[in-house]
Parts: sequence; C-alpha cells; structure tokens
Amino acid sequence: NAGVTQTPKFQVLKTGQSMTLQCAQDMNHEYMSWYRQDPGMGLRLIHYSVGAGITDQGEVPNGYNVSRSTTEDFPLRLLSAAPSQTSVYFCASSYLLQGMNTEAFFGQGTRLTVV
Amino acid sequence: ILNVEQSPQSLHVQEGDSTNFTCSFPSSNFYALHWYRWETAKSPEALFVMTLNGDEKKKGRISATLNTKEGYSYLYIKGSQPEDSATYLCAFATGGGNKLTFGTGTQLKVEL
Repeated sequence: NAGVTQTPKFQVLKTGQSMTLQCAQDMNHEYMSWYRQDPGMGLRLIHYSVGAGITDQGEVPNGYNVSRSTTEDFPLRLLSAAPSQTSVYFCASSYLLQGMNTEAFFGQGTRLTVV
Repeated sequence: ILNVEQSPQSLHVQEGDSTNFTCSFPSSNFYALHWYRWETAKSPEALFVMTLNGDEKKKGRISATLNTKEGYSYLYIKGSQPEDSATYLCAFATGGGNKLTFGTGTQLKVEL
C-alpha cells in the first residue's frame, strides 16, 4: 500500500542546476499538487492538476514547471535552481468530489538545498 | 492572498489536559475546511474535512466544529496524551474547492 511516493528524499543542488522531483500515487486520485514548506510559513501551493493533461498554477509557481501525462505521476521540475528554492517539498493527492478536494494524502517530502 | 490564521502558535500541556486550537478563515466563498495532524519527521495526515456550517466531527478524543458564517473552526483534544504531540494544520479550500490554503499550524507538546 504505497500511497504517495516522492523521490528523492534529500537533494543538494548548485545554483543554476536543473532537476526533477518525482511524485507517484497508486490510489487513482484525480487531483495532485505540489507544496513547499518554509520555516514560519504554512504549506504553499506551487502547482496542481485536476487530471491527466491538466495543470494550473498555485500561489508560488515561479521557477517551477509541472506536467501530468498520466494519472499516477506528477513531476516537479526546477529549471534553474536558486537558493530561494531551498525548502521542503511535499506532493499530495486526493479524490475530487463534485470538483472539491477530499482529504489530501501527502508524500514523505523532499528536502532540497540549493547552494 | 487569503489569510488563514491559527492560534496559538504553540502550546504545552500536561498529560490528561484537554485543549483546543482555533483556525480563522475568510467567511466568504466557503467550500471546505480541512484539519491535518503533522508529526515530526512524518507527513501531514488528514483528520477532518468539514463542509457545512455547524458541522461537528469526531475521531476518538479529537473533535472539531465549524462556523462558516463567522469564519472559524475549533479543534478539541480531550485528555491529551504524549502521542498527541504534533503540529495541527488547518487548510481553507478555495478556487472552487480544489486549492488549499494552509495556516502555519499550532504546535502541541504534551508532557508527562
């Protein structure tokens, strides 16, 4: 019973490098999302998707790209990493009931440091 | 930017105490209010999703109430135990109900 799986758990990048954070869920959830967690701030929505082929921006989308080619996978791409992107990243998924989120299931998080 | 506020920021209680936290959110365009429990080194886990004014939900010793007209929700823990130590997050559903705006959480520490 895997739920939401994120890889890697830890990553150190140099400024300007690119990388992809992976997220996969095996619950057939329509909705998937990416959040970042910074000290003193709540989880902030980066991008989200309501189904395969559909993505949209959240509160803090700049510097990140996403795609949703399958129901299961929702990778987050950092195109040119900056120190301001040092954070803990969480992927989450949920069913949509009449267009609204039911409870979100979170992955274990990816701790990213950009030096 | 929507304002979802939680109070207090942190709380220390003794084992057996009952406690409660507050989540304040905009009272207009309400879709749902979520509560999550987040233990250190783990990921957030859902406690409740509340959609109707006056909703009351209960899971074991934890319960929650919702007032959408005045924009607040209370989370209650009865007879706190050390294993209740965690950060409790609330999240307000926006954008038609499929975007969550989280508060910064209430960090609870239950001491023996």
